[in-house]
Amino acid sequence: QKEVEQDPGPLSVPEGAIVSLNCTYSNSAFQYFMWYRQYSRKGPELLMYTYSSGNKEDGRFTAQVDKSSKYISLFIRDSQPSDSATYLCAMMRGLAGGGNKLTFGTGTQLKVEL
Amino acid sequence: EAQVTQNPRYLITVTGKKLTVTCSQNMNHEYMSWYRQDPGLGLRQIYYSMNVEVTDKGDVPEGYKVSRKEKRNFPLILESPSPNQTSLYFCASAQRGITDTQYFGPGTRLTVL
Repeated sequence: QKEVEQDPGPLSVPEGAIVSLNCTYSNSAFQYFMWYRQYSRKGPELLMYTYSSGNKEDGRFTAQVDKSSKYISLFIRDSQPSDSATYLCAMMRGLAGGGNKLTFGTGTQLKVEL
Repeated sequence: EAQVTQNPRYLITVTGKKLTVTCSQNMNHEYMSWYRQDPGLGLRQIYYSMNVEVTDKGDVPEGYKVSRKEKRNFPLILESPSPNQTSLYFCASAQRGITDTQYFGPGTRLTVL
């Protein structure tokens, strides 16, 4: 079983829709949670970075973490065609010998249509 | 402009022919890392470097080498490429470590025949 599971999509929505992207994880040691956006033929870029359970909002984007359910979400309000990209969740945990490990989901492809 | 650059962007080669993918950052970052991205497997870390002359293995280091002789450069070396190393490769850098925001390069698509 993968430590981080993410539905690959593709997910197609009309412009203006609310988009919900999700990841589940199995390791309760994950402490930090991130969402990256990756446009076609580009490297990933960080969108949101959260530590605790609850919601974090940044413009049209809201990241939600539910540690009890081991479930994280990214909501996009008023979606735009420019939001069409692959969204990667990522999670970080400390290592017993020191340092940290970052684990990525496989990404969900989103298309916002006019 | 603050950025991470990689070269080449696309490369087709044959089994066993040594190659190097260069990575350079202009942000004076201490931390640099290489990832490969494969369908269904996501991004997996190959090697990382905490500073000059300090490198360590990631999750999938087999078949790869790196060096960090200068702060800004972190080349990825494939001494004897094999078809299972066909992948999309990303270099990333961060201020100090993996807990800082990582900035990714544009990617190098490698095909090994």
